[in-house]
Amino acid sequence: AQSVTQLDSQVPVFEEAPVELRCNYSSSVSVYLFWYVQYPNQGLQLLLKYLSGSTLVKGINGFEAEFNKSQTSFHLRKPSVHISDTAEYFCAVSVLYNFNKFYFGSGTKLNVKP
Amino acid sequence: GAGVSQSPRYKVTKRGQDVALRCDPISGHVSLYWYRQALGQGPEFLTYFNYEAQQDKSGLPNDRFSAERPEGSISTLTIQRTEQRDSAMYRCASSLTTAEGNSPLHFGNGTRLTVT
Repeated sequence: AQSVTQLDSQVPVFEEAPVELRCNYSSSVSVYLFWYVQYPNQGLQLLLKYLSGSTLVKGINGFEAEFNKSQTSFHLRKPSVHISDTAEYFCAVSVLYNFNKFYFGSGTKLNVKP
Repeated sequence: GAGVSQSPRYKVTKRGQDVALRCDPISGHVSLYWYRQALGQGPEFLTYFNYEAQQDKSGLPNDRFSAERPEGSISTLTIQRTEQRDSAMYRCASSLTTAEGNSPLHFGNGTRLTVT
C-alpha cells in the first residue's frame, strides 16, 4: 500500500524568508509525485509534478521540489515567500500500475507573516 | 474557461436521509474522480471514471455510497441512509486524458456535507 506523510501540519514563516515543506512517501513500486496548493475556499491546484528525469522540478509561483529516491522524499521549497503564498499544501503520489489513483498527505498549512 | 463545478456548495441533511452530490467536469475531460476530505486531512480517494465507465471504486467506504456518470460527463455521488460519520468535504476532480501521469487533476470547490 502507498502512503504519504507530511510531518508539519503548520509552518509559520516571515515574508521573504525561505521555506521547506516536507513530504515523505512509502511505496514498494515506482511512483509519480505531486504537490497541490489549496487557497481558502478554493479547490486544489497543481503546483508541480515529478514523473521521471531530472530530480529537481520547478513549478508555478517560484516553487520547486526535489525527488530523493533513497530517502523517499519530495520536499517543496521556495527561496523567498510572499504573503500570497499563505495556503494549504498537499503532497500526493500515484503509482505506475494504477496512476489514476492518487494518495494525498494530510496537508501543511503555510502561514506567511508580514 | 469554466472549471469543475460542484453542487450544492453546502448540504445539511438529517441522519437517515439520502443525498446526491453533483459534479460537472471541465468540458472534454475524460477522467472524473471523487474524493472525500475530512477536517484536517488530505483528500481520500473514493472512485473514478474514464468516460462513463467506473474504473475503480475501491475507495467507496460501504454499499451506501455509489456513483455514476451515465453519459461520460456529469457525475453524481449518492449516499444513502446518511450517517454522522459521512460528514466531510466531498471533492470532484477531472483530468483531460488518461495519459500516464501527464494529466493533472483539476479540482472543484467541493460540497460540504453535514449530517445532523
